[in-house]
Amino acid sequence: ETGVTQTPRHLVMGMTNKKSLKCEQHLGHNAMYWYKQSAKKPLELMFVYSLEERVENNSVPSRFSPECPNSSHLFLHLHTLQPEDSALYLCASSQELSAGAEQYFGPGTRLTVT
Amino acid sequence: GQNIDQPTEMTATEGAIVQINCTYQTSGFNGLFWYQQHAGEAPTFLSYNVLDGLEEKGRFSSFLSRSKGYSYLLLKELQMKDSASYLCAVRDWDYGGSQGNLIFGKGTKLSVKP
Repeated sequence: ETGVTQTPRHLVMGMTNKKSLKCEQHLGHNAMYWYKQSAKKPLELMFVYSLEERVENNSVPSRFSPECPNSSHLFLHLHTLQPEDSALYLCASSQELSAGAEQYFGPGTRLTVT
Repeated sequence: GQNIDQPTEMTATEGAIVQINCTYQTSGFNGLFWYQQHAGEAPTFLSYNVLDGLEEKGRFSSFLSRSKGYSYLLLKELQMKDSASYLCAVRDWDYGGSQGNLIFGKGTKLSVKP
């Protein structure tokens, strides 16, 4: 149990659908992250939030829209996705944004875009 | 540019010792992490190195040489449960964020055989 939960665990959506991924951390951390993990590719950072403020948007297409209503919850809103967006989306949290702060990952949402 | 290299796959025998290497070229260095990821599960933190030398934690040790852009993860007394992917990640000052965001390698899939 890592203290970071994600829902849904699996999602299949068409290119015209709108869906949202949810992440919740129960660790009292101040920073939260979205990563994308595609087959045969390294984990890619998408967004970083610190104290509910977005501090990083790593050149992610606008069809991905993050939301952080409080320090425990993070959402990723999805619309008009492409098949190449099919991947595992991982949420993570850390105590703070310090250099040595380890990140705790959730189990991920396996997204398939048809 | 930024590049992190690790072997794609390795195989080792239960009870043996295995060393997983990671070489990196980044414009700024602010620490190196190793994560373990079992198939279908979240990555979990193993170690953090920011200074040269060896960090030991039970059966796992991690080594860093900043001048060589090189790290390794050493796993002793291998167990079947150690079969997983091992991710090397470098925190790069020049990759955004106040302390630098993490850049991940593609991971090394380790198979432990009886």
